[in-house]
Amino acid sequence: GQSLEQPSEVTAVEGAIVQINCTYQTSGFYGLSWYQQHDGGAPTFLSYNALDGLEETGRFSSFLSRSDSYGYLLLQELQMKDSASYFCAVKVDTGRRALTFGSGTRLQVQP
Amino acid sequence: DAGVIQSPRHEVTEMGQEVTLRCKPISGHNSLFWYRQTMMRGLELLIYFNNNVPIDDSGMPEDRFSAKMPNASFSTLKIQPSEPRDSAVYFCASSLKAGDSNQPQHFGDGTRLSIL
Repeated sequence: GQSLEQPSEVTAVEGAIVQINCTYQTSGFYGLSWYQQHDGGAPTFLSYNALDGLEETGRFSSFLSRSDSYGYLLLQELQMKDSASYFCAVKVDTGRRALTFGSGTRLQVQP
Repeated sequence: DAGVIQSPRHEVTEMGQEVTLRCKPISGHNSLFWYRQTMMRGLELLIYFNNNVPIDDSGMPEDRFSAKMPNASFSTLKIQPSEPRDSAVYFCASSLKAGDSNQPQHFGDGTRLSIL
């Protein structure tokens, strides 16, 4: 099976940088995705890493280390609107090729 | 462009009643996913389809749950009979192809289901 661990809550101030970590244990691995979900809303795709290294998309970056079974989402220049839950999700290279989501990290951005 | 469309947005019904949730995926997407989200269990995959064929239904909690995809533009998730523990937000998502690793999933706004 698969398991993912990420912190349940993170608090940061506007303009700061925050890193949300995700460690995973899977029987196979294709890649690590990140999704954002605002309260009452739907998850929306942020990024995907299949290879080691950093992927940058605007203020958000995502990193993967396959050897360490570890990844993180980096949010820079935090804004109040970034307050949301962030989920890491893995896709494994078995017959079950859908995503398995972590339990989510609730990010609270304070003024 | 229209995203994934789910209906109804909210459903309140009494236990024992049949509940049918509906989903229209994004046109051209050939993978469709049904998820359930609760505070206790997080976001759980219930079932997903590729080209209208169910690929993995191991997440369907029990026989009271069933899902169909009669064509590429429509899917239903049915609960019969419903129980209070089925109360959750049910999301439908679609993507271009589940086997393509980097294809993002696009989620609908969800159906908030309350079983009294």
